[in-house]
This record gives sequence, structure tokens and C-alpha cells, in this order.
Amino acid sequence: GENVEQHPSTLSVQEGDSAVIKCTYSDSASNYFPWYKQELGKGPQLIIDIRSNVGEKKDQRIAVTLNKTAKHFSLHITETQPEDSAVYFCAATKYSGGSNYKLTFGKGTLLTVNP
Amino acid sequence: GAVVSQHPSRVICKSGTSVKIECRSLDFQATTMFWYRQFPKKSLMLMATSNEGSKATYEQGVEKDKFLINHASLTLSTLTVTSAHPEDSSFYICSARDLRTGSNEQFFGPGTRLTVL
Repeated sequence: GENVEQHPSTLSVQEGDSAVIKCTYSDSASNYFPWYKQELGKGPQLIIDIRSNVGEKKDQRIAVTLNKTAKHFSLHITETQPEDSAVYFCAATKYSGGSNYKLTFGKGTLLTVNP
Repeated sequence: GAVVSQHPSRVICKSGTSVKIECRSLDFQATTMFWYRQFPKKSLMLMATSNEGSKATYEQGVEKDKFLINHASLTLSTLTVTSAHPEDSSFYICSARDLRTGSNEQFFGPGTRLTVL
């Protein structure tokens, strides 16, 4: 099955700096890669996702890059703010239609943005 | 965006009792729902997948008789933890997906904190 590795496990940055979180996956057939933000005591919220037919996607201060050859994808947050502090999870799945669709999550990265 | 709710948000129960957690899709019909378990400072572990109108598919190592899942309608799935024990204490999160849109996105609920005394 799919295996997703996520690094680093913790990341501390100063407000205004950039933060980068990296994930690798094992199944070359995986084709959908979402990123989730989870605040303490809450459920995960999708912040950005990318499909295997594109190499990069951006949404304001957040961007995701995908390297299918190397089987890794990264989350980039620019101009970080204290409210960006949370746990971030990457995930991967091999979507081939129908109901057979399971997300495999990385172990999470605790991001702390210091004012 | 689509909203998924869970009820209750927190529950404390005595060992040996059963607890039911509800997961509802508020503004879309969820043809597929997922139940996850999350331990403190850990990642989400998929417990089971349920499709409306059929039995849930459990992940390896998850006891189906202990964690009863019912996808009662296109907007409601329930997870019942039967004969709960302290080791069942955890954060339970559901997610929902609408197959008919063709979207890959899973919409997550806010989670339910279960504490078994």
C-alpha cells in the first residue's frame, strides 16, 4: 500500500518568514495530493490540493509543488502569520473512480509562527 | 464549501457502556463517509469506509463488532463504540465525500473527543 513520509515533524519560524513542509510517497500510481491544516481540538481543513497532471498550484500565500519523478510534494507558506500556527498534514491517494478511495496521511508537522 | 458536522463534540462515559457518534453532511449528499481515529500528537488513522446503502469496509485491525458503523442516509453516518474501555479514548473524526461531483475532496467534521473512565 501507499506510504507517506512527512518532514519536518516540527517547524518554528518568525512571522513573515516562509515555511516549507515536504512529503514523499511510495506508490507511483497516486494521483491526488491534498494538504490539511488542523488546529488544536478541531478537524482537518483542506487548504490546498494538487493533482498529478500539474506540477505547481498556488493560492495566495500557499503553494504546493509536485515532482512525480521523485515522488515528492511540498507545501510552501509565504509571509507566515501567527494564525498559520497549526499541525499540517499531507496526504496521497490513488483515485481511479468509484468508491475505492482512501487517503494515506503523513505524520504531520507542527508549525509554530513566532510573533 | 461543504460542511460536515459531528455530534457530540465531547463525550465522557463509563467503561462498559456504548457511545454513539453522529456525522452529518449539512449541505450535500455524502455517498461515501470515512471514520478516522487520532491519538494525541499523531496522524489520522482510517478505521472504516462506508458507502450509502452498503456495509462498511473496515481497515485491518479494526474490530467491526466493536466499532459499529451505519450509513443510515445520504446525510448521516453513525459510529457506535460498543462496550467502551479506557483504551478506546481518542479523537474520532469523520469525513464525507460526494462521488457524484467527481471531486476527490474529503470534507472533515470537527471531531469528537471520547473519554472512557
